[in-house]
Amino acid sequence: AQSVSQHNHHVILSEAASLELGCNYSYGGTVNLFWYVQYPGQHLQLLLKYFSGDPLVKGIKGFEAEFIKSKFSFNLRKPSVQWSDTAEYFCAVNFFSYNFNKFYFGSGTKLNVKP
Amino acid sequence: KAGVTQTPRYLIKTRGQQVTLSCSPISGHRSVSWYQQTPGQGLQFLFEYFSETQRNKGNFPGRFSGRQFSNSRSEMNVSTLELGDSALYLCASSLGGGGSGTYNEQFFGPGTRLTVL
Repeated sequence: AQSVSQHNHHVILSEAASLELGCNYSYGGTVNLFWYVQYPGQHLQLLLKYFSGDPLVKGIKGFEAEFIKSKFSFNLRKPSVQWSDTAEYFCAVNFFSYNFNKFYFGSGTKLNVKP
Repeated sequence: KAGVTQTPRYLIKTRGQQVTLSCSPISGHRSVSWYQQTPGQGLQFLFEYFSETQRNKGNFPGRFSGRQFSNSRSEMNVSTLELGDSALYLCASSLGGGGSGTYNEQFFGPGTRLTVL
């Protein structure tokens, strides 16, 4: 069965620290990959997406993610976090084939950036 | 462009009752997906509608149902409510379409907070 795993449930960083959030999925077929962010009291917003092409994708607010097909991973990175990055981050994977099309979210990672 | 809207924003029901939630997608979007968000289970996919047809379904009991109208607006119904149905219900819209069924970027609404007493 398909699944999405985010291993870091709660991350605490100081401003200017580097961030890497892990996301792994289980499925050998074709996928579309997404990272969403949910700031306190706000809607889920798309940070970045990968459909095909360059496996290193850049998103909004200085975030980037790298798709490593051999590792079934799509880790989110930011070189230097800010207090305003405090939020919950969700990895999402769209699994699809000729006879199914499903969308799964990871359990989320709460990021707390200390000023 | 107006975003995804969901009504009502908050709802309190008692066990055994039924509830209907509404979602209006972004203009031009034909796909509407529903999710249940809880602290314990995270975000779980309920179902997706495209052009008035349920295209995909998650692993929820038959008490959870939905429909989509010709204007792409969607409703979700939960019958015989249980305490465990208390959650934030999110609706997401996307352009959808395409022969491969590939999802486009999903835009989320603010959600409906359902509390079952």
